[in-house]
Amino acid sequence: SYVLTQPPSVSVAPGQTARITCGGNNIGSKSVHWYQQKPGQAPVLVVYDDSDRPSGIPERFSGSNSGNTATLTISRVEAGDEADYYCQVWDSSSDHQVFGTGTKVTVL
Amino acid sequence: QVQLQESGPGLVKPSETLSLTCAVSGYSISSGYYWGWIRQPPGKGLEWIGSIYHSGSTYYNPSLKSRVTISVDTSKNQFSLKLSSVTAADTAVYYCARQSGSYYSDYWGQGTLVTVSS
Repeated sequence: SYVLTQPPSVSVAPGQTARITCGGNNIGSKSVHWYQQKPGQAPVLVVYDDSDRPSGIPERFSGSNSGNTATLTISRVEAGDEADYYCQVWDSSSDHQVFGTGTKVTVL
Repeated sequence: QVQLQESGPGLVKPSETLSLTCAVSGYSISSGYYWGWIRQPPGKGLEWIGSIYHSGSTYYNPSLKSRVTISVDTSKNQFSLKLSSVTAADTAVYYCARQSGSYYSDYWGQGTLVTVSS
């Protein structure tokens, strides 16, 4: 089955840039979506279809996808960005959705 | 505003069937979109369970397919999950969500904790 690999944790100082990677075999050929999840809350969609943002999501959140790696970039990180982040794709070879392993972002 | 709300027992005995319902408001299920279930064991990551289109066609996680049934009731604007033969490993927060054609979930329920224990 298709596997998405994320780093367990990323630490970043306020005002700096956080980059969260999502690795998968030829992931560049798939549409990648990203979710933010804060403790005790449901996930929130922050990027869809590689690089589009839902309404209400700050421009500080951006995405890219090429080759075997997709990346969620959070610019000018704020304390409120501290959360778990998950990538997700649809695996057409087996007709099912796959979530990444998740990355905990810590704001120093 | 689209809203989803899960409901069902919070405690299920091992070997029994877990049953949850997701009530949708602010959007008619029969108008389109996929509708899905996702779960999250305590302290762990997200796992997709399955999705159903408004017409009734379904997709299931291969690892759960033999135990899962998702159905839709357009007259009540809700969809449901049944997971049979549960074990402690099925203890999780269960979320329902609206899903686009690209299978991203843009609206989520608040989630409901289901514990499997005797």
